[in-house]
Amino acid sequence: DAMVIQNPRYQVTQFGKPVTLSCSQTLNHNVMYWYQQKSSQAPKLLFHYYDKDFNNEADTPDNFQSRRPNTSFCFLDIRSPGLGDAAMYLCATSTGYALAGSSGANVLTFGAGSRLTVL
Amino acid sequence: AQSVTQPDIHITVSEGASLELRCNYSYGATPYLFWYVQSPGQGLQLLLKYFSGDTLVQGIKGFEAEFKRSQSSFNLRKPSVHWSDAAEYFCAVGATGFQKLVFGTGTRLLVSP
Repeated sequence: DAMVIQNPRYQVTQFGKPVTLSCSQTLNHNVMYWYQQKSSQAPKLLFHYYDKDFNNEADTPDNFQSRRPNTSFCFLDIRSPGLGDAAMYLCATSTGYALAGSSGANVLTFGAGSRLTVL
Repeated sequence: AQSVTQPDIHITVSEGASLELRCNYSYGATPYLFWYVQSPGQGLQLLLKYFSGDTLVQGIKGFEAEFKRSQSSFNLRKPSVHWSDAAEYFCAVGATGFQKLVFGTGTRLLVSP
């Protein structure tokens, strides 16, 4: 089945030790997103790629970076994790951006998430 | 910018009883509205969506939602809840152009025997 796969599902790191989370998709979607979801909070968009074009949210800390080497893969790099970065990180994909009156281009498909613990 | 309010943090429903989860949105134009469900430790699964047309939309797992423009609401309903429905439910609003989904803070559904 076509899907969005995140690895690892659980990651434990030490304060300040870099971490990389990965996301792969078999949907051939153009857009890939990274959301951060802290405990009992709404998912918050960090950034997204439309093909190779990177789009950062204005309030995403510089500590968070992303790479998309090809259509199928996208990585989230946390350069120096702090205790406040402990969260579930969700990868999502979509075919493209929504067009007025369209019915499918902006539906997001999510992976199962990667839970990051910072000690 | 769009925003979403889910006024109920927790809701407990008896198995077999009906369910309604509330969602209010704020957006200047016609919104794209979604309900997602998240089981513990899992990602988000799309339950249903509204883009245009019939204001009562049907989704998976027996869920439906009704868009009411006059009330800026998109409440989720299910006539008979099953224990497996216990999860967190997120309402989200999007717009044309770049699809930045804005999520509500979620409602945790507990199902009692």
